[in-house]
Amino acid sequence: AQTVTQSQPEMSVQEAETVTLSCTYDTSESDYYLFWYKQPPSRQMILVIRQEAYKQQNATENRFSVNFQKAAKSFSLKISDSQLGDAAMYFCAYSGYQGGSEKLVFGKGTKLTVNP
Amino acid sequence: DVKVTQSSRYLVKRTGEKVFLECVQDMDHENMFWYRQDPGLGLRLIYFSYDVKMKEKGDIPEGYSVSREKKERFSLILESASTNQTSMYLCASSPHQRSTDTQYFGPGTRLTVL
Repeated sequence: AQTVTQSQPEMSVQEAETVTLSCTYDTSESDYYLFWYKQPPSRQMILVIRQEAYKQQNATENRFSVNFQKAAKSFSLKISDSQLGDAAMYFCAYSGYQGGSEKLVFGKGTKLTVNP
Repeated sequence: DVKVTQSSRYLVKRTGEKVFLECVQDMDHENMFWYRQDPGLGLRLIYFSYDVKMKEKGDIPEGYSVSREKKERFSLILESASTNQTSMYLCASSPHQRSTDTQYFGPGTRLTVL
């Protein structure tokens, strides 16, 4: 079964600095998608960024970018110019075909604190 | 904007009670999901549905059932609530049957079973 590992339960960053959140995954598939979701305190989870495995180019959304290393099965999230509003739980997720239906598998999350 | 709403933000029930958690989405999405979120465990899929009256078990379906009578509404049912079902429950929806679509989440229901 596919698994997603986030090795950093908590991270902190100073406002305006850059932070990188780690994610590794395990799969034998070649066609899949990867996601980073953000869950602010007491607020709804939203998509930050997604990456198609067949694309070599790393996805970017404003201050958020990923470093996708397919051979190493690594998918890290870089947040540049961190803002107080970036404080949240961040979940890495994998989507592929498993067990006869397609499901999203989440990591356990990384809690990001942004210090003023 | 896609809107996913859940019937309650906070709910307190007693052991053995039958509990209904409701989720409604307003964007005509095909897929709907129920997850539970526990500290240190992330999100775990309970059940999902890719069409009206269709359902599939997720990773932790034991003790739960679901109902999808209308496309926009997906209910999670705890037949006989137990204390180990105390958790945050998140509903989500996505446009098509492929889970490679972005999922849109509701605000969550924090359920406490006493």
